[in-house]
Amino acid sequence: QQQVKQSPQSLIVQKGGISIINCAYENTAFDYFPWYQQFPGKGPALLIAIRPDVSEKKEGRFTISFNKSAKQFSLHIMDSQPGDSATYFCAASGRFRSAKTSYDKVIFGPGTSLSVIP
Amino acid sequence: DTAVSQTPKYLVTQMGNDKSIKCEQNLGHDTMYWYKQDSKKFLKIMFSYNNKELIINETVPNRFSPKSPDKAHLNLHINSLELGDSAVYFCASSLTWTGETQYFGPGTRLLVL
Repeated sequence: QQQVKQSPQSLIVQKGGISIINCAYENTAFDYFPWYQQFPGKGPALLIAIRPDVSEKKEGRFTISFNKSAKQFSLHIMDSQPGDSATYFCAASGRFRSAKTSYDKVIFGPGTSLSVIP
Repeated sequence: DTAVSQTPKYLVTQMGNDKSIKCEQNLGHDTMYWYKQDSKKFLKIMFSYNNKELIINETVPNRFSPKSPDKAHLNLHINSLELGDSAVYFCASSLTWTGETQYFGPGTRLLVL
C-alpha cells in the first residue's frame, strides 16, 4: 500500500496558535518523511524532513513528531503566523522494485490548506 | 539564478491539440520528475528520469511522453489533449535518484477547452 493519509483537509488557526497536521502510512518500505509547503501559484518547497530513527525533529517553529510503531507522523507549527498560510503536504519516500530495477519514489499526502487569521 | 524553470507558465489550448512543456534545472542534479497537481491540489508523480534514463513511469496515458535530451532538461509532450488533462504540471529535480529533497519548478497551468 503506497498511500499516505493526511488530515485535516483544511485548518484555520488564530495567529500565535499551534497548527497540527497529521499523517499516516502503511508501507514499511518508507524511510524518509518530508513535509512540503506550497504557497498559491508556486511550486512545493521542502520545509522539514525526518527519518524513522528519531522521534522528533525541530527547526525553528516547525516540529515533526514521528511514531514508527503507529506509522504516524505529524507537523506542529508553533506561534503560527499569517505568513504560514499555505498548503502543507506530508510525504513518504521509500525504495520500490519494478521488474527491471529498484527505485526510490515519493508519495505525497493529499494536502492540508492552512489559514492563519490575525 | 532560477533553480528549476518551466515554460510556458500558462497554456490554454483546444481539445485534440498537441502541446509541450519544457523544464530545465541548473542545480547539477541527476534526477528530474514530472508531477501532476489536480484541482483538489493532489500531487501525483508521472515520470522520473535519472541521468536521462527513465526510472519511474506511473500509469499515465501513452499520450504523455517525456523526453530528456540531457540531465538538465526534461520535457513533457502531450498528444491529443483531453479535458481531463487540465491541471498544473510541476517539474522537479533532486540530487540523486534516492528521492530526497526535491526542488520544484513554478508549475505550468494547463487548461484544455
